[in-house]
Amino acid sequence: SQTIHQWPATLVQPVGSPLSLECTVEGTSNPNLYWYRQAAGRGLQLLFYSVGIGQISSEVPQNLSASRPQDRQFILSSKKLLLSDSGFYLCAWSAGTDNGYTFGSGTRLTVV
Amino acid sequence: GIQVEQSPPDLILQEGANSTLRCNFSDSVNNLQWFHQNPWGQLINLFYIPSGTKQNGRLSATTVATERYSLLYISSSQTTDSGVYFCAVLRSNDYKLSFGAGTTVTVRA
Repeated sequence: SQTIHQWPATLVQPVGSPLSLECTVEGTSNPNLYWYRQAAGRGLQLLFYSVGIGQISSEVPQNLSASRPQDRQFILSSKKLLLSDSGFYLCAWSAGTDNGYTFGSGTRLTVV
Repeated sequence: GIQVEQSPPDLILQEGANSTLRCNFSDSVNNLQWFHQNPWGQLINLFYIPSGTKQNGRLSATTVATERYSLLYISSSQTTDSGVYFCAVLRSNDYKLSFGAGTTVTVRA
């Protein structure tokens, strides 16, 4: 069966520090991968999606970037964190747009 | 983009009660999912239901795609049903799963 792993679960980082969040999927190949952010307990916003290695589409211009160095690995990064980057970050995968999306357990990021 | 409206925004239930959550969307979709977000933030798949009716234990869902709405039914609610319920939709040839604002359900013992 397919599983999605996301880490770390929580992270406290100072303003101006770098960020790297990792997401991996097991048990499938060539998944569509997604990064979402949830602020204030509601409202999930799509940040990035990828349909293949090296292919990244950005939905919202901001202080973050994403990369897909391997088929089942999706990384969310920042060179310098802002206070406004705080939030709950969720990775998700799907086998295609006609299939359900499955989410990881999330990373709660607090920028101080 | 597609608009997704969920109602009611908040729902307080006594344990054992039944309830109906509604999701309206503004365009044709080929993917509709219901999620439950637990107190730890994890989004749990409840249903993948672009059309028709499905049941899973005390939960069931119905999507009427031609009328652009979906309903989630919770029967004999339990305290573990508390949390936020999200509806999310995807249009054809799109990758962006768009979420409603959610319904916060509180089940009291």
